[in-house]
Amino acid sequence: QSVLTQPPSVSAAPGQKVTISCSGSSSNIGNNFVSWYQQIPGTAPKLLIYDNNKRPSGIPDRFSGSKSGTSATLGITGLQTGDEADYFCGGWDTSLSASVFGGGTKLTVL
Amino acid sequence: QVQLVQSGAEVKKPGASVTVSCKASGYTFTSFGISWVRQAPGQGLEWMGWVSSYKDKTNYAQKVQDRVTMTTDPSTSTAYMELRSLRSDDTAVYYCARDGKYSSGLGLDYWGQGALVTVTS
Repeated sequence: QSVLTQPPSVSAAPGQKVTISCSGSSSNIGNNFVSWYQQIPGTAPKLLIYDNNKRPSGIPDRFSGSKSGTSATLGITGLQTGDEADYFCGGWDTSLSASVFGGGTKLTVL
Repeated sequence: QVQLVQSGAEVKKPGASVTVSCKASGYTFTSFGISWVRQAPGQGLEWMGWVSSYKDKTNYAQKVQDRVTMTTDPSTSTAYMELRSLRSDDTAVYYCARDGKYSSGLGLDYWGQGALVTVTS
């Protein structure tokens, strides 16, 4: 069981928008920053969002992050077939004194 | 450009130990820490711990804290992760990733290519 909870899968058509949720508690999302990662099968994860809503250099603005209370959301607009991947949320858990991840969400672009 | 290059795949017997290395380049090694994250086949990401690159400081996940040692060698910009008393459920791809200088938790911005460790009798 992951500390952060994500839906196992989401899907949408090319060009559409999709959101992926990440639910936690006051010991993690509620009081710490959230980051998001994209992992294409067979490759290492890639940082998409850090500090809840900041994009590293080179990440297109089609990807966005937000946080409210103990939940966070990753948004992807203008979906492309190349966006098919697993997406993970992550952050610090103060009670565990550990970094934690969600279980991952598989995005299918139909 | 920032790169983290890990050592190769390993096959180990139950009860043995494995050491995975992670050589960093393209940035000042002592300005960032290193986290180790593993991923069992078909599973999600599991954070194993964080090691400082400028000070003798570590933070291990409770699940592996009795069996893991993470170190760094600033003279070669290399981080190491040793896992002892291997079990079959330690079979996974092990990643190193650049993390915060003083602690983990703010985002892992660069990752190594991963090293597959297979534990089998």
